[in-house]
Amino acid sequence: QKEVEQNSGPLSVPEGAIASLNCTYSDRVSQSFFWYRQYSGKSPELIMSIYSNGDKEDGRFTAQLNKASQYVSLLIRDSQPSDSATYLCAVNGIQGAQKLVFGQGTRLTINP
Amino acid sequence: DADVTQTPRNRITKTGKRIMLECSQTKGHDRMYWYRQDPGLGLRLIYYSFDVKDINKGEISDGYSVSRQAQAKFSLSLESAIPNQTALYFCATSDHSTTRYNEQFFGPGTRLTVL
Repeated sequence: QKEVEQNSGPLSVPEGAIASLNCTYSDRVSQSFFWYRQYSGKSPELIMSIYSNGDKEDGRFTAQLNKASQYVSLLIRDSQPSDSATYLCAVNGIQGAQKLVFGQGTRLTINP
Repeated sequence: DADVTQTPRNRITKTGKRIMLECSQTKGHDRMYWYRQDPGLGLRLIYYSFDVKDINKGEISDGYSVSRQAQAKFSLSLESAIPNQTALYFCATSDHSTTRYNEQFFGPGTRLTVL
């Protein structure tokens, strides 16, 4: 089992709809969780951090964390074509190590 | 703006050549990282440094070395480049003193091609 798993996609969502991205991780004691957005050929950009169970909202983005089930998700409301990118899930603290482990990313396309 | 910069942004080199990629940051962060990204393989950690005197290997350190010249500078060297080191290389930084559990911020990347 990979330490951090994401569906590679592509995920296609119509403009204005909700995009839902999911990520599972292997180590129950992992501490912190991040979502990065990466446009083609560009660097990853941190868009959400979450540390506690539940939901965290920031504008059109909502991160959801369920430590018991070992998954973290990202919801993008009112999806825009500019949201088309690859979204990387990153987990800190797997096996106690203070370093991020990244999933392979989910490619999201928003269709006008 | 506090930032992470990488030089060069693009580099084409030949097999066997020594090459150095440089990273500088003005964020005041103490921790720095080098990653490579390959299509289908995601981001993989090469080396990381928690302070100037602390250097650690990541998951794919073979064929690479690093130097932390100052808190703000972290360079990555390929002693003898080979074609399978062709990739996109990113530097990242984080600050241990915040409560934000290793939020990392990335530089713009270096696209390296080894012929």
